[in-house]
Amino acid sequence: ILNVEQSPQSLHVQEGDSTNFTCSFPSSNFYALHWYRWETAKSPEALFVMTLNGDEKKKGRISATLNTKEGYSYLYIKGSQPEDSATYLCAFRGGADGLTFGKGTHLIIQP
Amino acid sequence: DTAVSQTPKYLVTQMGNDKSIKCEQNLGHDTMYWYKQDSKKFLKIMFSYNNKELIINETVPNRFSPKSPDKAHLNLHINSLELGDSAVYFCASSHGVNTEAFFGQGTRLTVV
Repeated sequence: ILNVEQSPQSLHVQEGDSTNFTCSFPSSNFYALHWYRWETAKSPEALFVMTLNGDEKKKGRISATLNTKEGYSYLYIKGSQPEDSATYLCAFRGGADGLTFGKGTHLIIQP
Repeated sequence: DTAVSQTPKYLVTQMGNDKSIKCEQNLGHDTMYWYKQDSKKFLKIMFSYNNKELIINETVPNRFSPKSPDKAHLNLHINSLELGDSAVYFCASSHGVNTEAFFGQGTRLTVV
């Protein structure tokens, strides 16, 4: 059983503040690490797919880093906005089968 | 113009029945998946299907079986439904194994 842990479980952030959260995953047999954004009553939407140690990806105010040797990834949100409120999922791929998801970080941006 | 579509969106059925959930993707992807979102909102892989190769999560009961008539479809058949099967089921697809997955809108199954 693969262990993918995300912390914190939930997070309240003031609008305009920056924030980050963590995903830890097995450091062996690494194929890829995914980040998804999941809004209530919708389906998960991909933010990033990272495959190389040291990868850094950015999409607007959101960015992510990857350390495959120690088995962690950070997701950063700069200048949080109310529309950033969602659950952020990371998912680990260690082989040819599907993704193993973490339980997510539930982010609430307070105006 | 939905990329990954599931039907039905809601399904209420009695214990012991057999039911199917359909999934279609129009993205030309070669890999499709079924995930189950459990009561704690946790997404767990059930099946992965790639080029006619099926990879099954060993924890999935054999009452669940995926059927793929072609590359664009992966349907989920469930026999002898049990109360514990109540959950939201998500279909997804991707191009290969290292690209982002696109998810359907989910099917909420309620077994009564």
